Amino acid sequence: EVQLLESGGGLVQPGESLRLSCAASGFTFNIYIMNWVRQAPGKGPEWVSGISSSGGTTYSADSVKGRLTISRDNSKNTVYLQMNSLRADDTAVYYCAKLDTSGYYFDSWGQGTLVTVSS
Amino acid sequence: QSALTQPPSASGSPGQSVTISCTGTSSDVGRYNYVSWYQQHPGKAPKLIIYEVNKRPSGVPDRFSGSKSGTSASLTVSGLQSEDEAEYYCSSYASSNNLGVFGTGTKVTVL
Repeated sequence: EVQLLESGGGLVQPGESLRLSCAASGFTFNIYIMNWVRQAPGKGPEWVSGISSSGGTTYSADSVKGRLTISRDNSKNTVYLQMNSLRADDTAVYYCAKLDTSGYYFDSWGQGTLVTVSS
Repeated sequence: QSALTQPPSASGSPGQSVTISCTGTSSDVGRYNYVSWYQQHPGKAPKLIIYEVNKRPSGVPDRFSGSKSGTSASLTVSGLQSEDEAEYYCSSYASSNNLGVFGTGTKVTVL
C-alpha cells in the first residue's frame, strides 16, 4: 500500500524559513516523479513543485520560484520542500503527491501538513 | 497559469445524476487528453476518481464518468449516494508551466 507521510509544518513569521519532508513507502520510490501540491484555506489545490525520479530536473510554479525548492533523497525514500522568505499567501495545507507513471495525474496523496505564515 | 473554471455548487437527490463542468483553454484542457478529477471530503486529501478524461482507477465505482469536448470537460455522478457529497476538482496538464492546473472546485450536495 502506498503511503506518503508529510511532516515539518507549523506556524512561522513572514520572511522565515521551513523545511517540509515527505516519507514514502509501499512503492518503488526512485522511479516516480514526486510533487508538492498546496491548498490554501477554502481554495482549490495548486501544483507547487515537481521533481524527476533521479532528482535531476525540477519544476516550480511561478508563484514560488526562487523561494520554494524541491529536492529528494532516493536512499531515504524522502522528498523535501525547502521554503524560504515565506509570505502570508504561502499559508496552506501542503500535500506530497505521487505522479502516475504517465506523469499527468496524481494517483496517491499524503494526509497533508499545515503551514501558517503570520506575524 | 489561471485556474480552470468550475461552477461553485451542484446538487441532486439520492439516485439522481449530477454533471459538473470544467472550462479551460486551448493551452490545457483543449490541447491534451490529460484531464483528471479528484474528490475531496472535508479535512481529507483529494482522491483521484477519473484520469485521462474518462478512465477510472481501480476501486472507483462506475457511477463516476468523465468526458471532454473542446476546451471543456465534464464529470457525471450517476445514482447519487450520500457519500458522494464532497468537493470535486478537475485538473489538466498545462504546457505553459510543465506542471498542471486545477479547477476552482464544485461542492456537490446530496439533498
